[in-house]
Amino acid sequence: QSALTQPPSASESPGQSVTISCTGTSSDVGAYNHVSWYQQHPGQAPKLMIYEVNKRPSGVPDRFSGSKSGSTASLTVSGLQAEDEADYYCSSPAGSNNYVLFGGGTKLTVL
Amino acid sequence: QVQLHESGPGLVKPSETLSLTCTVSGYSISSGFYWGWIRQPPGKGLEWIASIFHSGSTFYNPSLKSRVAISVDTSKNQFSLKLTSVTAADTAVYYCARGGSTWFLSYWGQGTLVTVSS
Repeated sequence: QSALTQPPSASESPGQSVTISCTGTSSDVGAYNHVSWYQQHPGQAPKLMIYEVNKRPSGVPDRFSGSKSGSTASLTVSGLQAEDEADYYCSSPAGSNNYVLFGGGTKLTVL
Repeated sequence: QVQLHESGPGLVKPSETLSLTCTVSGYSISSGFYWGWIRQPPGKGLEWIASIFHSGSTFYNPSLKSRVAISVDTSKNQFSLKLTSVTAADTAVYYCARGGSTWFLSYWGQGTLVTVSS
């Protein structure tokens, strides 16, 4: 099994929007509506930002949104703020819904 | 407030067994959800290792399955990871986490660095 594919980096100016893609296959992202996204600041543990494709946990700003089309999921961050600068990882169940894959991560820079 | 805390040796010799424990507070493991281990080699991305449901069902990363075991001790509200025959490639920050209603991970420990070296 291979990791899900994410662009290594993304950047945008404060106040703008950026979308990070996460490409899998029909056996993982395309098979389940269980894609989740995590934010990780340097030296910290990951934090859940989106689950089940487009749901936000309590406390996560509505500037963060998720979507999915076929085998590609996306995380959109609108109204970028300096504190959004972090690494972002997508995740999906895979196989017969019996293991989990992560993406390689995307480093988001707020210019 | 659910909190998780990883503990175990920070240094393991090659070919030996890595053993980590995650102590959970603020929630009873036997009450539900699933519990898992994830690792992150220095400067690299996340890798899911294994999960165990409150029912006892276990799930493993196929690439690690032959070397990994996850277990739960409900009396201590802890769950554990064992990884055998370690090599330098197993050097990583190891995180424990609590899952949600599906495969997402809601709560994470702060992580513990395990270095494999002689």
